[in-house]
Amino acid sequence: DARVTQTPRHKVTEMGQEVTMRCQPILGHNTVFWYRQTMMQGLELLAYFRNRAPLDDSGMPKDRFSAEMPDATLATLKIQPSEPRDSAVYFCASGLVGNEQYFGPGTRLTVT
Amino acid sequence: AQSVAQPEDQVNVAEGNPLTVKCTYSVSGNPYLFWYVQYPNRGLQFLLKYITGDNLVKGSYGFEAEFNKSQTSFHLKKPSALVSDSALYFCAVRDTGATDSWGKLQFGAGTQVVVTP
Repeated sequence: DARVTQTPRHKVTEMGQEVTMRCQPILGHNTVFWYRQTMMQGLELLAYFRNRAPLDDSGMPKDRFSAEMPDATLATLKIQPSEPRDSAVYFCASGLVGNEQYFGPGTRLTVT
Repeated sequence: AQSVAQPEDQVNVAEGNPLTVKCTYSVSGNPYLFWYVQYPNRGLQFLLKYITGDNLVKGSYGFEAEFNKSQTSFHLKKPSALVSDSALYFCAVRDTGATDSWGKLQFGAGTQVVVTP
């Protein structure tokens, strides 16, 4: 049963520290998405990739967030420096273009 | 631009009664429509989709949804709700008429379903 995996599942860090979240998409999927979920804003799209190329990262604060896909089995989302307002659950999802997306379990980030 | 609306923040239903979660959408082309469910502290799980064909789509856990083009709706239904159906439900749409969609989905705000015993 193929699944999207994310690490770490939980992260507590202090303001100003770098945070790196990792995602392993389902093998064979050619799109990868990063979302952020908060009570106030709901589900927000941060970035997405097709065939490892970034297509849109307009949802990310550019000065502190960056997303990459160094290879087909790994997607990363970095925050540097982190701020308390970044506290949220971050989801990675993968899929085939135009079809349903499959979500990972999420990384719960707390920035103090 | 594509958009999706879930007009109800919460739906309350007694176990055994029919469950309906509403969704309406706006797109420039033909829609691809999806329903997801999220249980506490979990990621979103795919339930069902409409791409083309029969307007009534059947999905996981006994859920179904009906595509209504004239009303631009895609309501999620279950004939007999279970307490275990209590969760957050998201409708999503992809606009095939949008040249920059690239498979991107627009999600609704979510509807909390509470099924009481």
